[in-house]
Amino acid sequence: DQQVKQNSPSLSVQEGRISILNCDYTNSMFDYFLWYKKYPAEGPTFLISISSIKDKNEDGRFTVFLNKSAKHLSLHIVPSQPGDSAVYFCAATSQGAQKLVFGQGTRLTINP
Amino acid sequence: DAGVIQSPRHEVTEMGQEVTLRCKPISGHDYLFWYRQTMMRGLELLIYFNNNVPIDDSGMPEDRFSAKMPNASFSTLKIQPSEPRDSAVYFCASSFVEGWNEQFFGPGTRLTVL
Repeated sequence: DQQVKQNSPSLSVQEGRISILNCDYTNSMFDYFLWYKKYPAEGPTFLISISSIKDKNEDGRFTVFLNKSAKHLSLHIVPSQPGDSAVYFCAATSQGAQKLVFGQGTRLTINP
Repeated sequence: DAGVIQSPRHEVTEMGQEVTLRCKPISGHDYLFWYRQTMMRGLELLIYFNNNVPIDDSGMPEDRFSAKMPNASFSTLKIQPSEPRDSAVYFCASSFVEGWNEQFFGPGTRLTVL
C-alpha cells in the first residue's frame, strides 16, 4: 500500500510559467512533509519542507502548500527555469520519527 | 565535507552472484538509511540504522538481502543470490538526530542483474 502518492509520473511546463506538483497521503499520523529534487546520476537533495501546523511555506521561487483535511500537498515553482528540470519526490513522516515515506516521483521538464 | 559516499557507482552482475554495495555516511550523522529506487515504486526504504544498530528492516524484500553497519563510518548492503528483479538504483542516506528528518543522500549505485 502506497501511503504517499504522486499520481503524475511526468509534467511538462513552459519556461517562465508556474509548475505545480501534487502529492497525496493516506496516513493521518504524518505531520511533517518534505520535497526532494533529483537530477540524473545524483542522489535526491532536500528542497523544502512543511510542518502540519502550517498551511504554506515559501522559499524563493518554491512554495509548498498543505491541505490537511484533503491529505494533499503541492509544490509550486514560479517562475519555472530550465534548471528545475528534474524528478521531484514528495516525502512524509511523523515528528520524532526518522523514517521518511516517499512517493513515486514526478519528472518535471521545463521547455525553453 | 565529502557528503555520503557510495561504491561502486555501477554494478553489472549475473543472476545468482553475490553483490555488495558500500556506503560511508557523513561524519557525525547518527542515522543511516538504505533505499531502493524503481520506476514502479519510487524510493523505498529498505533498512535504517541508529548508532550502528539496525532499527527497522521491515522494507528488506527477502532473506536474500542483508545489511550491516560495523562502525559509524561504514555500512554494506548485500544481495545473495542476486536476481534480475533486484536491478534498481540503491541509495544510502544519513541524517542528524535533530535534523528535522532531512536526509542527505549519496549518488547511488546502479545495479543491473543479467
